[in-house]
Amino acid sequence: KAGVTQTPRYLIKTRGQQVTLSCSPISGHRSVSWYQQTPGQGLQFLFEYFSETQRNKGNFPGRFSGRQFSNSRSEMNVSTLELGDSALYLCASSSTTSYTDTQYFGPGTRLTVL
Amino acid sequence: QQQVKQSPQSLIVQKGGISIINCAYENTAFDYFPWYQQFPGKGPALLIAIRPDVSEKKEGRFTISFNKSAKQFSLHIMDSQPGDSATYFCAASSWTGGGNKLTFGTGTQLKVEL
Repeated sequence: KAGVTQTPRYLIKTRGQQVTLSCSPISGHRSVSWYQQTPGQGLQFLFEYFSETQRNKGNFPGRFSGRQFSNSRSEMNVSTLELGDSALYLCASSSTTSYTDTQYFGPGTRLTVL
Repeated sequence: QQQVKQSPQSLIVQKGGISIINCAYENTAFDYFPWYQQFPGKGPALLIAIRPDVSEKKEGRFTISFNKSAKQFSLHIMDSQPGDSATYFCAASSWTGGGNKLTFGTGTQLKVEL
């Protein structure tokens, strides 16, 4: 089975721009979660989608949004980029929305905001 | 606020030695505690997980010890190998009514020297 794929792997944007990141979960997985990883804050939960519905949301401003499509693929969008948004954005998928289900992470998208 | 505290931040162990990483949590609603291993350029991967109804879980060279009353848990890596050099994250989750949400510790960079 192919793992979680994320595109693009690297992205450079400037302040004020908008960005969209994409995640394809493992085949058959219906839950997709997004995390932001930075050296200072570590791994922080952004949101989770299951069957096209947002099930859970972390403490991030409204500039961070996401969606899930009927094929379980997910996108996250960050508008009005700030320097502090520079981070590795990780997507994780699991087969169900059970909190004890293993989450499988993709390699991440490295976003640099200049 | 950091709900899961992890220490040490970095650790150097000789080959064949025991690596020990500690975590403490505050939220008593947490009842699932996974450990993730992350290599450079990769997303985190589940290593081992424990529920609070047991005090210890062992899988190969990896053991989780859990102390519910102290709200602490730790990862022991026996016979540490250079291939174990990676960043390790403890995490915690609970039934939020909405699904998956992992709260991560800040990570420990482990280096195993020959």
